[in-house]
Amino acid sequence: DQQVKQNSPSLSVQEGRISILNCDYTNSMFDYFLWYKKYPAEGPTFLISISSIKDKNEDGRFTVFLNKSAKHLSLHIVPSQPGDSAVYFCAASGETSGSRLTFGEGTQLTVNP
Amino acid sequence: NAGVMQNPRHLVRRRGQEARLRCSPMKGHSHVYWYRQLPEEGLKFMVYLQKENIIDESGMPKERFSAEFPKEGPSILRIQQVVRGDSAAYFCASSQDAYEQYFGPGTRLTVT
Repeated sequence: DQQVKQNSPSLSVQEGRISILNCDYTNSMFDYFLWYKKYPAEGPTFLISISSIKDKNEDGRFTVFLNKSAKHLSLHIVPSQPGDSAVYFCAASGETSGSRLTFGEGTQLTVNP
Repeated sequence: NAGVMQNPRHLVRRRGQEARLRCSPMKGHSHVYWYRQLPEEGLKFMVYLQKENIIDESGMPKERFSAEFPKEGPSILRIQQVVRGDSAAYFCASSQDAYEQYFGPGTRLTVT
């Protein structure tokens, strides 16, 4: 039962354009969501998070949007840079899962110069 | 402030041997989590510990796997009698407040 899904295994964008990564979840008890970036042979790096009481959180070039009714969140990166090329994971936690994170399967973002 | 430390970074074991993976959380963090990433998959939760206590082990296989976080020293994930299917990247994360988790570089276990 995949409770967090990232339906696009890969995304390719041009440098300077917007990257939009999407994530859907099925468990309505999730109330905290996070995005991580991962380079090969390294651990995930925390990027940005959002609580279910908000619908938007912004940090520099990264903005996360949460649509609770659609059980959907997205990460916007503007402007995209070649160094952003990595695998991006969304993750969720909530009351019934305690503080453990449930991860999606990741989206490989490639930013072309 | 040093990040989450894991060692070894790479570990090769033959089938039937034991694997011990170590994790030192970030300074000031009292929550430790272990996750496993099998090839071509996302990260899967294994266990959540605080000092001397296992809080949630719902993701741990029932046999051969154990974890501890003693009062002194690092957290240890122990896999007894390893099999080929245990080959994976094992990541430790720590947290100060059980919300944002910060990950270590991982231990890549290869079972031959």
